[in-house]
Amino acid sequence: DAGVIQSPRHEVTEMGQEVTLRCKPISGHDYLFWYRQTMMRGLELLIYFNNNVPIDDSGMPEDRFSAKMPNASFSTLKIQPSEPRDSAVYFCASSRTSGVINEQYFGPGTRLTVT
Amino acid sequence: RKEVEQDPGPFNVPEGATVAFNCTYSNSASQSFFWYRQDCRKEPKLLMSVYSSGNEDGRFTAQLNRASQYISLLIRDSKLSDSATYLCAVGNGGFKTIFGAGTRLFVKA
Repeated sequence: DAGVIQSPRHEVTEMGQEVTLRCKPISGHDYLFWYRQTMMRGLELLIYFNNNVPIDDSGMPEDRFSAKMPNASFSTLKIQPSEPRDSAVYFCASSRTSGVINEQYFGPGTRLTVT
Repeated sequence: RKEVEQDPGPFNVPEGATVAFNCTYSNSASQSFFWYRQDCRKEPKLLMSVYSSGNEDGRFTAQLNRASQYISLLIRDSKLSDSATYLCAVGNGGFKTIFGAGTRLFVKA
């Protein structure tokens, strides 16, 4: 089975540009999570969806960040306008409901550099 | 106080050694617990879920202590390939998961 797929794997952009990160979750998984990882702050949950509906976006840093999940097999995280402090690795993860257990499977990440 | 705390290490151990990591959490209502492994410049990968009764998978043993609010990971007979960062994760209901900052392990020949 294919794992979580993310694109692009690397993105270098200039401050002020729009950045769109893409994620395809594992087929059959009903939860999708977006995380950001930096050396300073570790792995932070930005937002998560259940059955394509955003459940908790309290981790989204500010209005420059937005996320959508138009269908069960695709999600985007958009940053507009981007800033150098947004430089990080962005991971998408998915999981399948199983009681209270939530075993998440991560994609390879998108390494974003904003200059 | 952070919701999930880990000793960042690094832990430097020889091959064959036994090493243990602890992870404390602050929310007593936490419902699910996990250990993930992350190699350099890679994504976190689920190592094992941690059940109330404790569980074992080969050389790896995970324990949960709800009274003291910590989980532990024991690695026996360490291999060079065990060198990685180990992240603990705690689920606080509603599937929101908080990750610790990770403990770095180096296993030396």
